[in-house]
Amino acid sequence: AQSVTQPDIHITVSEGASLELRCNYSYGATPYLFWYVQSPGQGLQLLLKYFSGDTLVQGIKGFEAEFKRSQSSFNLRKPSVHWSDAAEYFCAVGSDTGRRALTFGSGTRLQVQP
Amino acid sequence: DTGVSQNPRHKITKRGQNVTFRCDPISEHNRLYWYRQTLGQGPEFLTYFQNEAQLEKSRLLSDRFSAERPKGSFSTLEIQRTEQGDSAMYLCASRTGAGNTGELFFGEGSRLTVL
Repeated sequence: AQSVTQPDIHITVSEGASLELRCNYSYGATPYLFWYVQSPGQGLQLLLKYFSGDTLVQGIKGFEAEFKRSQSSFNLRKPSVHWSDAAEYFCAVGSDTGRRALTFGSGTRLQVQP
Repeated sequence: DTGVSQNPRHKITKRGQNVTFRCDPISEHNRLYWYRQTLGQGPEFLTYFQNEAQLEKSRLLSDRFSAERPKGSFSTLEIQRTEQGDSAMYLCASRTGAGNTGELFFGEGSRLTVL
């Protein structure tokens, strides 16, 4: 069964500082990996996705993520955080066979200090 | 741009009552998903439709839950005899059927509070 672990429940960074949110997945075949962001009271918005090819993927709002197969990780990064980035971030894994739904991690809540 | 629309956005009900949520997906999307999200957790998969066919149901979907997508367009999620443990955000998502790599587009959710 596929699963996603986001080890950090809550992270606080200063505005302008760099950010890395961790994501580890468990899946037997080639995973399809996603990062979504959720602002309070809102639905989820896709930041970026990885299916194949270049292991460093660029997303919206200046985010990027790197797929590392050897570490089963797909960490999200941003070089300089803005106050508007404060939100909850979810990593998700999907597959190309069998189950068609995404499996989500429990999320990391990001706070940005001025 | 009409994204995924969910109604009502918030429902407060008493234990034992029935509730129904509606989801209108993006019009060209033939795949529709329901997820449940509780406080501090990520979305958990409930069920999935391809057109009008319900192809997969999670073990989370007890007998009190039923979902339909009668004409392959909008979908409804009904919860009968609600319990306090049903309090959660119910999220609907849709995507195209092109391959299995398409992203899910989420609605803003329907929050259920069971008193």
